[in-house]
Amino acid sequence: QKEVEQNSGPLSVPEGAIASLNCTYSDRVSQSFFWYRQYSGKSPELIMSIYSNGDKEDGRFTAQLNKASQYVSLLIRDSQPSDSATYLCAVTYGGSQGNLIFGKGTKLSVKP
Amino acid sequence: SQTIHQWPATLVQPVGSPLSLECTVEGTSNPNLYWYRQAAGRGLQLLFYSVGIGQISSEVPQNLSASRPQDRQFILSSKKLLLSDSGFYLCAWSVMRFNYGYTFGSGTRLTVV
Repeated sequence: QKEVEQNSGPLSVPEGAIASLNCTYSDRVSQSFFWYRQYSGKSPELIMSIYSNGDKEDGRFTAQLNKASQYVSLLIRDSQPSDSATYLCAVTYGGSQGNLIFGKGTKLSVKP
Repeated sequence: SQTIHQWPATLVQPVGSPLSLECTVEGTSNPNLYWYRQAAGRGLQLLFYSVGIGQISSEVPQNLSASRPQDRQFILSSKKLLLSDSGFYLCAWSVMRFNYGYTFGSGTRLTVV
């Protein structure tokens, strides 16, 4: 069974704080990992990708991957109200050309 | 640059009516194409994907079908809609050979009444 698990939230953080979003997956051979942001009523937008263990930083966003624990996370530093959205974790199955399986998403609310 | 177009944006259809949603990609060749559905309170469900003209793989058996008549055109169809077909339909594309992530179209919100 292909599974990507996320806490549905809502996760509420004050403006300026660090938001931490977590995701676990069930397929040990997954090679590509992605975070998407989806505003209410809109389509998902790719914000981060990570392919190897460790951290990857892009602006206020840091993606972390631990393949041994089958765990991927997204940190958002200096959270802004505009970051309020649902964040979807996506994982490939079936190798590097595999299709993406999405988690159900974590709803983040950043309070001014 | 690559762009993906999807239409219509919203659609209200009666039960038993047919459906046709269209998606086109510009600025790339031989893309992988996907149809996803996102029902209220649920995650993204992969419905169909295509790696080339006329090549369609179905992930979930249902009353929907897909076709790829041209390299950058992907169509989702149904002969008779069910209430359970309501949802947010998303088309996406990716490059072939390696998955750098999908780019989604703006989506079609379908309500079956």
